[in-house]
Amino acid sequence: SQTIHQWPATLVQPVGSPLSLECTVEGTSNPNLYWYRQAAGRGLQLLFYSVGIGQISSEVPQNLSASRPQDRQFILSSKKLLLSDSGFYLCAWTVGTGHTGELFFGEGSRLTVL
Amino acid sequence: AQSVTQLGSHVSVSEGALVLLRCNYSSSVPPYLFWYVQYPNQGLQLLLKYTTGATLVKGINGFEAEFKKSETSFHLTKPSAHMSDAAEYFCAVSDMTGGFKTIFGAGTRLFVKA
Repeated sequence: SQTIHQWPATLVQPVGSPLSLECTVEGTSNPNLYWYRQAAGRGLQLLFYSVGIGQISSEVPQNLSASRPQDRQFILSSKKLLLSDSGFYLCAWTVGTGHTGELFFGEGSRLTVL
Repeated sequence: AQSVTQLGSHVSVSEGALVLLRCNYSSSVPPYLFWYVQYPNQGLQLLLKYTTGATLVKGINGFEAEFKKSETSFHLTKPSAHMSDAAEYFCAVSDMTGGFKTIFGAGTRLFVKA
């Protein structure tokens, strides 16, 4: 069966520090991968998605970047964090082809920038 | 462009009462529609989805939703609320093209009173 792992689960970082959140999927190949951010009391904002290795689409211009160095690995990064980067970050995947759009989510990473 | 509007950021019902969570969408192509549930500090999990065919779809935990194209709505219902239904619910739309992006509504937090 497929599983998705996301880490770290919680982190507190100072303004201006770097960030790296990692997500890996097991049990499937060539998934579509997504990073969402959920700010307090708000819905999910799509940040990046990827349909293949090295293919990244950005939805919202911002202080973050994403990379997909391997088929089932998706990394969210920042060189210098801002206070506004605080939030709950969710990685998700879908089957690459022949699917009906259901997203499978990780458990999330809660980032607090101080 | 696609969008989702959830009417009511908070809904409160008594245990045993009808649950109705409202969702309207906008899409330039036939949409795939979803309802997800999120418990505190967790990722989202799928409740139900509409792709094609029967417009009344049934999901887990006794929830169902009806796709009404003329009203561009996909409201979520459950005949009798249970305490365990207290959570945040998200309506989402996907156009199944260009990376299969899924756009979420702002969410509705459901409170269930004893």
